Parts: sequence; structure tokens; C-alpha cells
Amino acid sequence: GEDVEQSLFLSVREGDSSVINCTYTDSSSTYLYWYKQEPGAGLQLLTYIFSNMDMKQDQRLTVLLNKKDKHLSLRIADTQTGDSAIYFCAETSGRDDKIIFGKGTRLHILP
Amino acid sequence: DSGVTQTPKHLITATGQRVTLRCSPRSGDLSVYWYQQSLDQGLQFLIQYYNGEERAKGNILERFSAQQFPDLHSELNLSSLELGDSALYFCASSVAEGGSPLHFGNGTRLTVT
Repeated sequence: GEDVEQSLFLSVREGDSSVINCTYTDSSSTYLYWYKQEPGAGLQLLTYIFSNMDMKQDQRLTVLLNKKDKHLSLRIADTQTGDSAIYFCAETSGRDDKIIFGKGTRLHILP
Repeated sequence: DSGVTQTPKHLITATGQRVTLRCSPRSGDLSVYWYQQSLDQGLQFLIQYYNGEERAKGNILERFSAQQFPDLHSELNLSSLELGDSALYFCASSVAEGGSPLHFGNGTRLTVT
């Protein structure tokens, strides 16, 4: 069945780049998403990429998609304390349009 | 602000009780999704409605039910509550039936004692 995997934790020093990785199994995925969840809040849509794109950049965020390896990454440049949150990767299944979420990566910022 | 409104923000109730969670989608969105988030299970999809009709079902217990009304707001009913039902319940909306980004509310934190 469809599955989205991501590592559970990532620690990064303030000012460095953070790279959060995600793998998925559905080769017919149409859209892939990154959501951010801050403590006590809902999931905020950060960015998304169509499956026919390789890269998308939006200010400090860069999304890279390797469709052959079914690998998606989110790079946050110049990581700030406000970036501390849980980041969820998600995909839309090409078969039934269901959106499948990973378990989330908790990004911890070191001073 | 995502434009999705959920009430109440917090709910504390006893085992065996029944509660109703409410969601108003973003203006113009026809799809409403319900998710349960607990520490050990991550984000679990419960159910989706599109323009008043049920479209997809996930890991929703028989004790739980939902509906979407003609004005597109949705309610999630949880009955015979158990301690294990304590979680954050999120509503999300999207413009289309499927494939479009979801916009999440801030959730209802349910505590069952």
C-alpha cells in the first residue's frame, strides 16, 4: 500500500541549513507537500510541488524531488529558532486522490 | 490563519460520554476532512466529505460519526468515549474533491478522564 516515511528527529544549529528528507512508495503521486506544525497549532501548508517538477524554491525553502528514487526533501536555509516545529511530508495518491501523511520530523534548533 | 475554524479548542469529558466537534471550512472549499493526532499514532485520517456527501473513510471507529451540512460546515460526533480517544482532532478543507492542498484548522484537544 501507499506509505510515506520520514526520520523522526533532526537537530540543526541556528544559522545552518536544515534538510528534512522523505520517501514515498506511490509512483503515481501527483502532488507532494510539506506542512509545518508548531506547538499547539494545526498543520500549516508550507509548499507543494507537482510530480513533474524537480525543484521549487520559495524564499528560504527549497524542495527537491527525485521521482526515480521517490525521494522528497525540504531545505531550510539560515535556520532560525522560529523554524522549530514538526514538519510533515505528504503525497496525493494518483490512484484515488487520497492524501497520505508521514509521521513528521521534529526539527530542533541548537543555539 | 488558514480560514478553517474549529470549535471548541479544548474539551474535557468523562469516559462513556458523547461529544460533538465542529468545523467551518475555508470560504469556497467544498471538501472537509477529519484527522486524529495522537502521540503514538501520528496523524490518522478519519473521514472526508465533499459537498455534503461522504467521499472516503479511513481509520474511523464505529463509535465515531460525522456529517457535512448544506452550509458545508461539518460535525464529528464521538460517543462512548474511552481514555484512548484523548487526542487532537483536526479538520481540514480543500477546494476540490481530491488532489488539492489541505488547509487545517487549529484543532480540538479532547481529554477523556
